[in-house]
Amino acid sequence: GEDVEQSLFLSVREGDSSVINCTYTDSSSTYLYWYKQEPGAGLQLLTYIFSNMDMKQDQRLTVLLNKKDKHLSLRIADTQTGDSAIYFCAEISILTADKLIFGTGTRLQVFP
Amino acid sequence: GAGVSQTPSNKVTEKGKYVELRCDPISGHTALYWYRQSLGQGPEFLIYFQGTGAADDSGLPNDRFFAVRPEGSVSTLKIQRTERGDSAVYLCASSPEGGREAFFGQGTRLTVV
Repeated sequence: GEDVEQSLFLSVREGDSSVINCTYTDSSSTYLYWYKQEPGAGLQLLTYIFSNMDMKQDQRLTVLLNKKDKHLSLRIADTQTGDSAIYFCAEISILTADKLIFGTGTRLQVFP
Repeated sequence: GAGVSQTPSNKVTEKGKYVELRCDPISGHTALYWYRQSLGQGPEFLIYFQGTGAADDSGLPNDRFFAVRPEGSVSTLKIQRTERGDSAVYLCASSPEGGREAFFGQGTRLTVV
C-alpha cells in the first residue's frame, strides 16, 4: 500500500535553516503537502506542490520534490521558536483518490 | 464560519457507550473528510463526503462507526459500543469543489474509559 515516512525528530538553533525530509512509495502521487501541528491544535496547511513541479517557494518556506527518488523536503529559513511543532508530509495520488495519506510527523524543536 | 468547527473539543465516555462527534465545515465547501489521529501518529483517513453522499468510506474500521451529512453541510460521526481502542483525536476537514487544499478543524479528543 501507500506509505509515507519521515524522521521523528529534528532540533535546530534559532536563526538556522531547518530541513524536514519525507519519502513516499506511491509513484502515482499527484499532490504533496506539508502540514504543521502545534500542541493541542489541528493541522495547519503550510504549502503544497503539484507532482510535475520540482520546487515551490513561499516566503521562508521552500519545498523541493525529487519525483524520481520519491523524496520531498521542506526547508524553513531563519527558523524561529514559533516554528516548533510537528510537521506532517502528506500525499494524494491516483491510487488514493481524494484521501490524504500522512506520514508519522517530524517534531521540530527550535532552541535559542 | 471562518474555519472548520468541531464539537465537542473533548469527550470522555465509558466503554460501551454511544458517542456523536460534530463537524461544521467552511461555508460553501462541498467536500468533507473525517480522519483519526492516534497518539504519536499521523492522521488516518476514515470517510469522505462529496455533498450529501459518502463517496468513500473505506477507512471506517468496522461497522460500529458511521457518519452522515444529510444536508451537505454539517456532518456527524457516530460511534456505537465504544472501545478503549477508539480513544484518539478525530479530525474533520473540508475543501471547496475542485480544490486541492483541505482545511482542518481543531479536532475532538475522544477518551474511552
